[in-house]
Amino acid sequence: KAGVTQTPRYLIKTRGQQVTLSCSPISGHRSVSWYQQTPGQGLQFLFEYFSETQRNKGNFPGRFSGRQFSNSRSEMNVSTLELGDSALYLCASTGGASSYNEQFFGPGTRLTVL
Amino acid sequence: GQSLEQPSEVTAVEGAIVQINCTYQTSGFYGLSWYQQHDGGAPTFLSYNALDGLEETGRFSSFLSRSDSYGYLLLQELQMKDSASYFCAAPYSGGGADGLTFGKGTHLIIQP
Repeated sequence: KAGVTQTPRYLIKTRGQQVTLSCSPISGHRSVSWYQQTPGQGLQFLFEYFSETQRNKGNFPGRFSGRQFSNSRSEMNVSTLELGDSALYLCASTGGASSYNEQFFGPGTRLTVL
Repeated sequence: GQSLEQPSEVTAVEGAIVQINCTYQTSGFYGLSWYQQHDGGAPTFLSYNALDGLEETGRFSSFLSRSDSYGYLLLQELQMKDSASYFCAAPYSGGGADGLTFGKGTHLIIQP
């Protein structure tokens, strides 16, 4: 079974631009969560989608948004990029309606904002 | 919301046993998970405790005490490959939805 995939793996943008990141969950998994990882703040929860609906949202500004498609693939978008948005963005998928006992993480997208 | 505290760094010797503690404050608690992350890698799931007590998986064990809002990860027979960061995590907002709140992580350094 293929794991969680994320594209692109690396991205360089400039302040003010916007970016879209993609995540394909493990086949059969319907829940996708997104996280931001930085050295200072650690792993922080962004939002979670299940069956195309956002069920859960972390404490991030409205510049961060996401969506999920009918095939469970998910995208997240960051608009008006700031230097502080430089981070590793991880997505994770879980099987079942709610199975926070195990999340499967993708390799992440390393975003650098200049 | 949730808040999880763990030590930032722990050093141990190869072959020894190490315990990584995690204390939490949550408005609703559904269990404690542990994840391992090697430098440059993705977090990988180690264990989950929904109930009080010890869960054992090979060289790794995890413990939970709800009354003390405390848990720990125990690593035995340490190997150099266990050098990594270890995170405790709890559901972000309770049952019915996924998404985790993570502690800041404990960097485990193993010396030969």
